[in-house]
Amino acid sequence: EAEVAQSPRYKITEKSQAVAFWCDPISGHATLYWYRQILGQGPELLVQFQDESVVDDSQLPKDRFSAERLKGVDSTLKIQPAELGDSAMYLCASSLWRTGVPDGYTFGSGTRLTVV
Amino acid sequence: ILNVEQSPQSLHVQEGDSTNFTCSFPSSNFYALHWYRWETAKSPEALFVMTLNGDEKKKGRISATLNTKEGYSYLYIKGSQPEDSATYLCAWSSSGGYNKLIFGAGTRLAVHP
Repeated sequence: EAEVAQSPRYKITEKSQAVAFWCDPISGHATLYWYRQILGQGPELLVQFQDESVVDDSQLPKDRFSAERLKGVDSTLKIQPAELGDSAMYLCASSLWRTGVPDGYTFGSGTRLTVV
Repeated sequence: ILNVEQSPQSLHVQEGDSTNFTCSFPSSNFYALHWYRWETAKSPEALFVMTLNGDEKKKGRISATLNTKEGYSYLYIKGSQPEDSATYLCAWSSSGGYNKLIFGAGTRLAVHP
């Protein structure tokens, strides 16, 4: 069964350092999502790509976070500089994009980030 | 602010018990309601996608219902087993969007042998 690949699985970084996460979606999935889940809360959308274009980054803290999906396939999410409040689970997901069809997401295993 | 609320936050049951959780969501501009199961150290796994008022879905011992007019969905587990222990997330999407899901905080279920 096809999977969404994410790396690293765990990351510990010091405050003010840069950190990057990588995601490879299921082949053929045009839509890619980065979600952040803070302990005790539901996953919150950070950024959504349709192919290589950003269609929603309204909740992305753009002063420190950036995301790209240059060839419309894999994606990188970067944080610079990391802050203590960025400690969370970062989930990548992908889905087909079919008009009129509420496609479910396929999630990766996530990256657990701890900022110390 | 669009809120998806889930209750209870956590639940402890004995093996063999049946249980149910609630998800409430905005009833306006409704497009779809999704349920996911998220086991520790694994990826969230899709259980159901429901779109029509009155929809009922079933997968083994797990079933779900949908009321779009009043904005709630129930997830039922019949005869809980230890392997059902997980966090159950519901997510709502609106019409006219790019299939963006807004998630609830989840219900954490622990089934004790």
